[in-house]
Amino acid sequence: AQSVTQLDSHVSVSEGTPVLLRCNYSSSYSPSLFWYVQHPNKGLQLLLKYTSAATLVKGINGFEAEFKKSETSFHLTKPSAHMSDAAEYFCVVGLSGTYKYIFGTGTRLKVLA
Amino acid sequence: DAGVIQSPRHEVTEMGQEVTLRCKPISGHNSLFWYRQTMMRGLELLIYFNNNVPIDDSGMPEDRFSAKMPNASFSTLKIQPSEPRDSAVYFCASSLWVGGQVQETQYFGPGTRLLVL
Repeated sequence: AQSVTQLDSHVSVSEGTPVLLRCNYSSSYSPSLFWYVQHPNKGLQLLLKYTSAATLVKGINGFEAEFKKSETSFHLTKPSAHMSDAAEYFCVVGLSGTYKYIFGTGTRLKVLA
Repeated sequence: DAGVIQSPRHEVTEMGQEVTLRCKPISGHNSLFWYRQTMMRGLELLIYFNNNVPIDDSGMPEDRFSAKMPNASFSTLKIQPSEPRDSAVYFCASSLWVGGQVQETQYFGPGTRLLVL
């Protein structure tokens, strides 16, 4: 069965330090993988998307994610956190050949001044 | 493009009243999703339309919920009668489904925050 696990429900970092948000997936086929960000009282905004091209995917606002098939992971990183990065982040698996998407439970990122 | 448009942004109603949420997908998209987000259950898919046809409504909680898509540019989600447990944020999302192996990006609206008293 396909699934997605976000390993941390909350992450706190200091401004200017690196960000790592972890995501593991389980899929029978090569999945499409997404990271979305949701700021308070806003909708979900696409950060980046992996679709079996380059394994290192660059997104908006300095975020990037690396697809590691051997580890079934798609962790989200950013070299230097900004206060405006404080939000909830969702890892999403798109099931190949279907309309279905599986959402992780989200990781709330807190950025400390 | 204006993105996915939802209205109203906020709705406060009393138990038993009818609530209608509206969504305008991105022009040219052929897939539309309604989701519900709560603290307890996260994001849940309620219903999926493709080319205006409901394909999967297995996530609709019960008969009090109904959804329509009369044309490619408009969809509604109706709750009648509403109950306090329906309080949540309801998102509409659209995408362009081409039937290939690669999943297309879903674009989300800003959501409707519903409070049923």
